[in-house]
Amino acid sequence: QSVLTQPPSVSAAPGQRVTISCSGSSSNIGNNYVSWYQQLPGTAPKLLIYENNKRPSGIPDRFSGSKSGTSATLGITGLQTGDEADYYCGTWDSSLSAGVFGGGTKLTVL
Amino acid sequence: QVQLQQSGPGLVKASQTLSLTCGISGDSVSSKSAAWNWIRQSPSRGLEWLGRTYYRSKWYQDYAVSVKSRITINPDTSKNQFSLQLNSVTPEDTAVYYCTSGGGDSFDIWGQGTMVTVSS
Repeated sequence: QSVLTQPPSVSAAPGQRVTISCSGSSSNIGNNYVSWYQQLPGTAPKLLIYENNKRPSGIPDRFSGSKSGTSATLGITGLQTGDEADYYCGTWDSSLSAGVFGGGTKLTVL
Repeated sequence: QVQLQQSGPGLVKASQTLSLTCGISGDSVSSKSAAWNWIRQSPSRGLEWLGRTYYRSKWYQDYAVSVKSRITINPDTSKNQFSLQLNSVTPEDTAVYYCTSGGGDSFDIWGQGTMVTVSS
């Protein structure tokens, strides 16, 4: 049972836009920055978004992040087959004094 | 750029100690702006943050409540690396273990991962 809640799966056609939600509480998302990760099969997670909406160098602007209250959203535009992966949200939980993650969302590009 | 290289055994017997090491290149384990974490991933538990070590004029460690009684994360300044020790392992500790850099709300650099199986 993950601390943050994500939908198990989402799907969309190539070229379309998709959003992935991440829900938490005031002790985590509500008062801390949110990050997002992409995990391709057999590889380590890769940081896509940090501090709610910032992209590390090399991450295309097709990926965006936002936060409102105790929820966050990852958006991906211009979907490509190479975007098929598992996506995770993460943040710090001030009550647990620990990093916490969502259960992951599997993106299928139809 | 910063790179992390993990080493350690992939098979541990139940009740024994899991030990992994993470070598750092491109940064210092003693950096006053970095933190060094261990995270594991399994189908049953998902991504689970285990703990971290960092230096801010003195060394600090933070651990997840779920493993706090069994875990030690130590820096090794002479080799510019940090380590994970998890005692009294059970098959539930079977997972892919990652070392990462990051402050806790995000993890920017990840090691290659080590699949650790605990045999009963």
